[in-house]
Amino acid sequence: SAVISQKPSRDICQRGTSLTIQCQVDSQVTMMFWYRQQPGQSLTLIATANQGSEATYESGFVIDKFPISRPNLTFSTLTVSNMSPEDSSIYLCSVLQGSTEAFFGQGTRLTVV
Amino acid sequence: KQEVTQIPAALSVPEGENLVLNCSFTDSAIYNLQWFRQDPGKGLTSLLLIQSSQREQTSGRLNASLDKSSGRSTLYIAASQPGDSATYLCAVKTGANNLFFGTGTRLTVIP
Repeated sequence: SAVISQKPSRDICQRGTSLTIQCQVDSQVTMMFWYRQQPGQSLTLIATANQGSEATYESGFVIDKFPISRPNLTFSTLTVSNMSPEDSSIYLCSVLQGSTEAFFGQGTRLTVV
Repeated sequence: KQEVTQIPAALSVPEGENLVLNCSFTDSAIYNLQWFRQDPGKGLTSLLLIQSSQREQTSGRLNASLDKSSGRSTLYIAASQPGDSATYLCAVKTGANNLFFGTGTRLTVIP
């Protein structure tokens, strides 16, 4: 199974600032995925991060708000920009191993005050 | 669009009891179904993966079944323990990379 290290595990940020979340995988993967889980809700896909090309964003999410980097096949970052209290959520990165089984990082619990 | 529902939303059982969690999905054209465990404020831990061609998978005290034609899956937990307390999520994979998640069942096992 893939081992995914995600950091920070949690943070409390001031509104208007930005936070960059890092995700490191122990093996090379073609695609990495970023999800948001708002309080009491299930997971919503933000975007798919592809190495060597721009990320693909889902409806309702835009690059200016959630810029993503994918410099190599084992690493990705998600930035939450110009934060507001509505951005308070758990953010998770994920990979598909063998294009079938999904594995997740430990999540970043973000609180915006 | 695929919709995934989990019932019940919350469940509380005494230690040692066997229990069943339910997951239903609207579109039977799935590649696989995966059950996860999530502890409060944490990420997801994969428990069991069932391919669309399979009927069930077992791991220790856990058994997951899949009835694709009726759009249902169950997760059976035998001899529940307080350490099993968590939220359990099911997700179905459709298309190349799309995962659709249910809203989860929050399980509490009372010592």
